[in-house]
Amino acid sequence: DIQLTQSPSFLSASVGDRVTITCRASQDISSSLAWYQQRPGKAPTLLIYAASTLQSGVPSRFSGSGSGTGFTLTISSLQPEDFATYYCQQLTSYPITFGQGTRLEMK
Amino acid sequence: EVLLVESGGGLGQPGGSLRLSCVASGFTFSDHYMDWVRQAPGKGLEWVGRTRNKANAYTTEYAASVKGRFIISRDDSRNSLYLQMNILKPEDTAVYYCVRPHSDTWSGSYFDSWGQGTLVTVSS
Repeated sequence: DIQLTQSPSFLSASVGDRVTITCRASQDISSSLAWYQQRPGKAPTLLIYAASTLQSGVPSRFSGSGSGTGFTLTISSLQPEDFATYYCQQLTSYPITFGQGTRLEMK
Repeated sequence: EVLLVESGGGLGQPGGSLRLSCVASGFTFSDHYMDWVRQAPGKGLEWVGRTRNKANAYTTEYAASVKGRFIISRDDSRNSLYLQMNILKPEDTAVYYCVRPHSDTWSGSYFDSWGQGTLVTVSS
């Protein structure tokens, strides 16, 4: 199975901050990585696919980069609605796996 | 608008069975692979399994944790996806989401639509 490790697991930040979340894969997954946001009590929503392609309707302050085994999700200027949990997901082989999540909290 | 609505959650007994349903609308259900993802209380996301479409013989894939106990099926005439959960264990307690992969290629298999989820609790 492909393991995905996110860092950090918890992140405290303020509105307007720039934040970066990292996702490392246990083997090369090319660009087959997606990022999701999950607000408390809600279903996840797709932010980014193919490592760097912004899903339609997602604000441009979100961006993704990376390939191979190292990936990042960056939020350029945090907004109040961005405080949530973020997950990466690999789409290369079964079983489909997710990172353990990064909880972004307001400082 | 894509809409996925799950039902069938509730309390199940250890060793027992439950069947979840998901009704889809807003897209051509029969064209799409469909998946189930679960989330235990306070935990992360876990992929449960997938059913492919008719063009791919409705074949299925499962996570090791549920293989041999859970069965994913679909009824394209009813735009419905099912998860038959057998030999339930307390660790199956989770919110179960019905999800739609964008396309049937690996590069397009990210989940672009999610249902609201249905809670399954396994306890005696």
